[in-house]
Amino acid sequence: DAKTTQPPSMDCAEGRAANLPCNHSTISGNEYVYWYRQIHSQGPQYIIHGLKNNETNEMASLIITEDRKSSTLILPHATLRDTAVYYCIVQTGANNLFFGTGTRLTVIP
Amino acid sequence: EPEVTQTPSHQVTQMGQEVILRCVPISNHLYFYWYRQILGQKVEFLVSFYNNEISEKSEIFDDQFSVERPDGSNFTLKIRSTKLEDSAMYFCASRGQFWTNEKLFFGSGTQLSVL
Repeated sequence: DAKTTQPPSMDCAEGRAANLPCNHSTISGNEYVYWYRQIHSQGPQYIIHGLKNNETNEMASLIITEDRKSSTLILPHATLRDTAVYYCIVQTGANNLFFGTGTRLTVIP
Repeated sequence: EPEVTQTPSHQVTQMGQEVILRCVPISNHLYFYWYRQILGQKVEFLVSFYNNEISEKSEIFDDQFSVERPDGSNFTLKIRSTKLEDSAMYFCASRGQFWTNEKLFFGSGTQLSVL
């Protein structure tokens, strides 16, 4: 599975959009981009995933560049409860999830 | 939304003792996983399990570890002789289909403390 690079930490003002970047320059054609988050020491929580098209669900939007070498997770209106570690993971459907160190997002009141 | 249930939420044991961590995956799921997270570190893959056998395991999952699906609903992780460095949060996860890029559902974890 391709390696990902994320900034170690980010801040976002409450109510503003949080844009979390991820680089995955070695991604291959059949690998998906997944985003999970971990609030405090709870179990990781699925947010969204995509292959090459942009995706949106009730939690977030995922923007994948045309060359698929990077992506951005967007939380449109961040709340204090969105403070968490966010993991960008690239994998094929047949493989297990391997977590990196993620981005620690702090939402500031 | 369906949930993966883990028991107990906290387990304290003495070094050298055997411990069994229990998980009830989502009922129609076929693939099961154990992960662990040592305090302050990243979430680490331990083992995946399908059709009553191990599909993949990491270097961490040595002979001291074993997994079992003893009945139609439970999935267990056994550590035969615990060590201090086994202290961690252990997460169970499950998914339905392997090839359709389905998400993993994680339990809330069992905090294992080895004294």
